[in-house]
Amino acid sequence: DVKVTQSSRYLVKRTGEKVFLECVQDMDHENMFWYRQDPGLGLRLIYFSYDVKMKEKGDIPEGYSVSREKKERFSLILESASTNQTSMYLCASSLPGAGITEAFFGQGTRLTVV
Amino acid sequence: QQQVKQSPQSLIVQKGGISIINCAYENTAFDYFPWYQQFPGKGPALLIAIRPDVSEKKEGRFTISFNKSAKQFSLHIMDSQPGDSATYFCAAFPRGFQKLVFGTGTRLLVSP
Repeated sequence: DVKVTQSSRYLVKRTGEKVFLECVQDMDHENMFWYRQDPGLGLRLIYFSYDVKMKEKGDIPEGYSVSREKKERFSLILESASTNQTSMYLCASSLPGAGITEAFFGQGTRLTVV
Repeated sequence: QQQVKQSPQSLIVQKGGISIINCAYENTAFDYFPWYQQFPGKGPALLIAIRPDVSEKKEGRFTISFNKSAKQFSLHIMDSQPGDSATYFCAAFPRGFQKLVFGTGTRLLVSP
């Protein structure tokens, strides 16, 4: 059974803290993604990576960075957490797209910044 | 910025009824149009998908209708069941890119 695992289901952090969200996939996928899910705004792409040590900005990268040192692991970093980063964060992975590719999602991390 | 617009934001349907969710896109260079289903506490999962050279695709009670000239596609859920209650996202895969563009989501509630 394919799996994308996010290290935490719930996190509460203080404003200004550096926050790490971890994601691991066991499908040997080249592509990995971090999305943010907010009511009424859908899934917005923060960053994605198409290979180890490679990354590209998505639609809302401000205030975030990422790290991909190994193929199976993709980390999202909030350099200095702010209350407007309170959200559900979803990690996903996929094979390289040839026009058709399924994205597999983790269960999400609900982050609250107080 | 490529966009996919989805409506309605929420939908209540009686058991046995037809649920219809609509999406429209603004860029013609999309290669693939999937729908994802998300249950509470879970990540989204692929439900059904269609390529732009096909006008309709059916899998069980779920059907995608695609209108290329109008740049619109829709999900129909026939004989809707309470177990179909979930959030549904349409998406589009831009040609030459490695990422999906998602709609804003529709929260479907099927009443018993």
